[in-house]
Amino acid sequence: AQSVTQLGSHVSVSEGALVLLRCNYSSSVPPYLFWYVQYPNQGLQLLLKYTSAATLVKGINGFEAEFKKSETSFHLTKPSAHMSDAAEYFCAVSGETSYDKVIFGPGTSLSVIP
Amino acid sequence: DSGVTQTPKHLITATGQRVTLRCSPRSGDLSVYWYQQSLDQGLQFLIQYYNGEERAKGNILERFSAQQFPDLHSELNLSSLELGDSALYFCASSGSYRGQETQYFGPGTRLLVL
Repeated sequence: AQSVTQLGSHVSVSEGALVLLRCNYSSSVPPYLFWYVQYPNQGLQLLLKYTSAATLVKGINGFEAEFKKSETSFHLTKPSAHMSDAAEYFCAVSGETSYDKVIFGPGTSLSVIP
Repeated sequence: DSGVTQTPKHLITATGQRVTLRCSPRSGDLSVYWYQQSLDQGLQFLIQYYNGEERAKGNILERFSAQQFPDLHSELNLSSLELGDSALYFCASSGSYRGQETQYFGPGTRLLVL
């Protein structure tokens, strides 16, 4: 069985500050891990995914995430927050193949303060 | 614009009714995925089709069914609708681009059951 937890349903950062969104997963098989973003009143967008290659994954819009097996974590970071980063972020895990039977976390709403 | 289209954008119907949601994937993408986003359940994977065949099933109710047609568009049929089926329904498609499999989402269909 797989599950995802995201610490903090809401995170606020100042513009220009580091963004850190936390994700921990539970999986009985080697996981595929994803971060998705949902901008206000829009659909989802895939930010990045981990598929057992490099542990540090670079995504779009300056985001990256690091897979740490020992900590069962896949935290999302961005060095400098921009106002346009305000959105809902979802971490997700999948078991067998890419995008197959994805389990989503509850989401973290990111606010960026000018 | 992700290249994935969904119709209709909004749908209001009554309990007990049946509706059909339509999705057209990005040109060349063979896989189509359906997801449900509701306040109660969060984001859930429903079902995946690949080139006309069902590939994976998630938390899809028996009252729901889907299919993918030879032109690769997909339809999600929801029947005997209940108030709890009110949600945002997303479709996504995936394909290989420069050796990487990438997923793109449509804007969603917002269903309100009264």
